[in-house]
Amino acid sequence: GENVEQHPSTLSVQEGDSAVIKCTYSDSASNYFPWYKQELGKRPQLIIDIRSNVGEKKDQRIAVTLNKTAKHFSLHITETQPEDSAVYFCAASKGDAGNMLTFGGGTRLMVKP
Amino acid sequence: EAQVTQNPRYLITVTGKKLTVTCSQNMNHEYMSWYRQDPGLGLRQIYYSMNVEVTDKGDVPEGYKVSRKEKRNFPLILESPSPNQTSLYFCASSSLASGDYEQYFGPGTRLTVT
Repeated sequence: GENVEQHPSTLSVQEGDSAVIKCTYSDSASNYFPWYKQELGKRPQLIIDIRSNVGEKKDQRIAVTLNKTAKHFSLHITETQPEDSAVYFCAASKGDAGNMLTFGGGTRLMVKP
Repeated sequence: EAQVTQNPRYLITVTGKKLTVTCSQNMNHEYMSWYRQDPGLGLRQIYYSMNVEVTDKGDVPEGYKVSRKEKRNFPLILESPSPNQTSLYFCASSSLASGDYEQYFGPGTRLTVT
């Protein structure tokens, strides 16, 4: 089955700096790669996603890049703010509607004011 | 309001006592899934369903059962819970018709098995 590895497991940055979280996946059939943000005690919330026919996607301060050949994808957050502090999960799916998600282990991001 | 609901939100039970966690969505989604979340392991898929009466195993199905008799409901059944099933459980739904692939998660059910 699919295996998704995520690094780093914790990341501490100063407010205003950039943060990068990296994931690798094993199944070349995976075609959908979402990123979720989870605040303490809450449900995961989708922040950005990318499909396998696209190499990069950006939404304001957040961007995701995908390298299908190397089977890795990354989340980039620029101009970090304290409210970006949370646990971030990457995932990969080969289902028809992104419903067969395999998650990475998560990255705890701490943004220091 | 479009949403996924789960009940109960918190449950403490004893080993071997059958329990059911309910999940319901009001978005007419075809796909529904159950995940468990454990520290350092992310979320792992237990079961998923592509439509009524169609279910399949995810990555960690042992000790769980599901059913999909109606499109809106996808209950998770633990016939004989054990302490290693202590976890945070999330139900999620998504729609092929919408084309956006987004998984809509429920609020979570924290289960403790003693």
